[in-house]
Amino acid sequence: AQKVTQAQTEISVVEKEDVTLDCVYETRDTTYYLFWYKQPPSGELVFLIRRNSFDEQNEISGRYSWNFQKSTSSFNFTITASQVVDSAVYFCALSPNQGGKLIFGQGTELSVKP
Amino acid sequence: DAGVTQSPTHLIKTRGQHVTLRCSPISGHKSVSWYQQVLGQGPQFIFQYYEKEERGRGNFPDRFSARQFPNYSSELNVNALLLGDSALYLCASSLTSGILETQYFGPGTRLLVL
Repeated sequence: AQKVTQAQTEISVVEKEDVTLDCVYETRDTTYYLFWYKQPPSGELVFLIRRNSFDEQNEISGRYSWNFQKSTSSFNFTITASQVVDSAVYFCALSPNQGGKLIFGQGTELSVKP
Repeated sequence: DAGVTQSPTHLIKTRGQHVTLRCSPISGHKSVSWYQQVLGQGPQFIFQYYEKEERGRGNFPDRFSARQFPNYSSELNVNALLLGDSALYLCASSLTSGILETQYFGPGTRLLVL
């Protein structure tokens, strides 16, 4: 089965705190891609990062960092020094080796309070 | 450059009616995918089209259909609307239809079925 699980439904932090959003995936494919998208209240999904199954290097982009661990089938997302503008729903998604469809998790709603 | 555009932004229909949603991809993108996002859940894959051909179909009834035009824009049609069809319908475009491609999303069409 192909599946993405985001166990944290809602997270609330105070500005400047660090926060980690968890993502666990299931697939039998050896070649696949993982994604993170941000969905602000406007509704549009904003692409954040793409990682292929053969590249387990962690990545940092400004305050954002991603930790991909194939051994635990996890692709976690950390925001350092969170800001109010980071408040949104964040989705982890899997692109299996079956064409271009994306399989999304349930999403984690992050609320950053001033 | 313009991103993915969708029309209309909001729509209210009654049960049994038919609806057509429209999507224009990013310039140069030849693939369009459609997703349904019910409130509180992650987007669910409906269709993917590439070069006017269907490349993938999700687990949706035959009431849902789509097509892609020579200019790569796309329409999603839903017949015999049910209350459960109320959702945010997202269109995404990518250069091609493979798993290597990042999908970029439009703002969505919010459909309410009464």
